[in-house]
Amino acid sequence: EAQVTQNPRYLITVTGKKLTVTCSQNMNHEYMSWYRQDPGLGLRQIYYSMNVEVTDKGDVPEGYKVSRKEKRNFPLILESPSPNQTSLYFCASSPGLAGIYEQYFGPGTRLTVT
Amino acid sequence: GDSVTQMEGPVTLSEEAFLTINCTYTATGYPSLFWYVQYPGEGLQLLLKATKADDKGSNKGFEATYRKETTSFHLEKGSVQVSDSAVYFCALRDNDMRFGAGTRLTVKP
Repeated sequence: EAQVTQNPRYLITVTGKKLTVTCSQNMNHEYMSWYRQDPGLGLRQIYYSMNVEVTDKGDVPEGYKVSRKEKRNFPLILESPSPNQTSLYFCASSPGLAGIYEQYFGPGTRLTVT
Repeated sequence: GDSVTQMEGPVTLSEEAFLTINCTYTATGYPSLFWYVQYPGEGLQLLLKATKADDKGSNKGFEATYRKETTSFHLEKGSVQVSDSAVYFCALRDNDMRFGAGTRLTVKP
């Protein structure tokens, strides 16, 4: 089954404790991205990657890191989480960057930072 | 930059009522337009899309027409069901993807 998987689905952590949210897709997609969803703000892009070893900042990259060492995986790293990073996070992938392509979304990771 | 504005809601309807969720956009290029749906506890799923002006996207009884003259992509359904209760996101994609704030729809029996 074609899908995007994320782990964990739920995470509660404390300020400053490094964490990683994993994302994997099995569709051989070149483009992957991370979003955060906050009430009233829709989805805002954090980082995206157009291919292996190619990553770039989205609209809200502060406090986040990513890497793309393999085509299928695109982990999101919070080196020192803070309470304002409490949010619902989605990973997405698509065949390419062009506008005609839809994005396929993972199930989401709900992060709480206390 | 490109942006999407959609009716914020929440919207509450009775079963079999007509649904319209308004969406307008601003873009410098020629984006594709999308409606995504998010059911409780799940990620976003593509509902329909249109890639050029005057295209109509349709799926599961939902429709939206890409109107370049009014920069709109309103979502419509003639008769909603309880199972349509979800959050609906309008989005555009040129090189970047932009989402609206989302509209929560609740359909009551």
